Amino acid sequence: QTVVTQEPSFSVSPGGTVTLTCGLSSGSVSTSYYPSWYQQTPGQAPRTLIYSTTTRFSGVPDRFSGSLLGNKAALTIAGAQADDESDYYCVLYMGGGIWVFGGGTKLTVL
Amino acid sequence: EVQLVESGGALIQPGGSLRLSCAASGFTVSSHYMAWVRQAPGQGLESVSVIHSDGSTYYADSLTDRFTISRDNSKNTVYLQMNSLRAEDTAVYFCARIWSYGGNRNFDYWGQGTLVTVSS
Repeated sequence: QTVVTQEPSFSVSPGGTVTLTCGLSSGSVSTSYYPSWYQQTPGQAPRTLIYSTTTRFSGVPDRFSGSLLGNKAALTIAGAQADDESDYYCVLYMGGGIWVFGGGTKLTVL
Repeated sequence: EVQLVESGGALIQPGGSLRLSCAASGFTVSSHYMAWVRQAPGQGLESVSVIHSDGSTYYADSLTDRFTISRDNSKNTVYLQMNSLRAEDTAVYFCARIWSYGGNRNFDYWGQGTLVTVSS
């Protein structure tokens, strides 16, 4: 069974830049997996940030960017702000109508 | 404006059944893939079920025999019928639209979620 991997936690200083990654337990992430990223704060619904590897969803500030880094998908947050402190999930499309979520990364801004 | 509103969550005893509803507005559910995603307390997000625009369906492993996704085009609503509920089904259930046009394959709009608690 395919597992989508993410760092369990990460911290960044206010104003700093952080890159979160999304990998596969076996193999490399490519654009064919249509990597997407979602932000979730406690008690709230997920918010769509990035889709199809690099495209920002409507209304998402350009501080958030997506890319491929080596064999993983990546979400970079530049100029981190206090309200960026959230859980971040990546999702990969496996084909056949199957989407798999990563375990999420808890980002702390301090 | 795209909106998704879930309902039907409740406290239910183990072995019971529940039907969740996701009422959509601002778009037509039959033209899109629609999904149910759940989140157990303190845990991450998990894809539960997807209904394709052509009506075909997908379920996470271990849920195929107990959960059924469907839609009512006349009501522009998607449903999740959950049977033989177990304690481990306790979660917030989110409805989400999947954007599959222009070569994309991603969740875009999400509902606020409905809480299902399975406990005696």
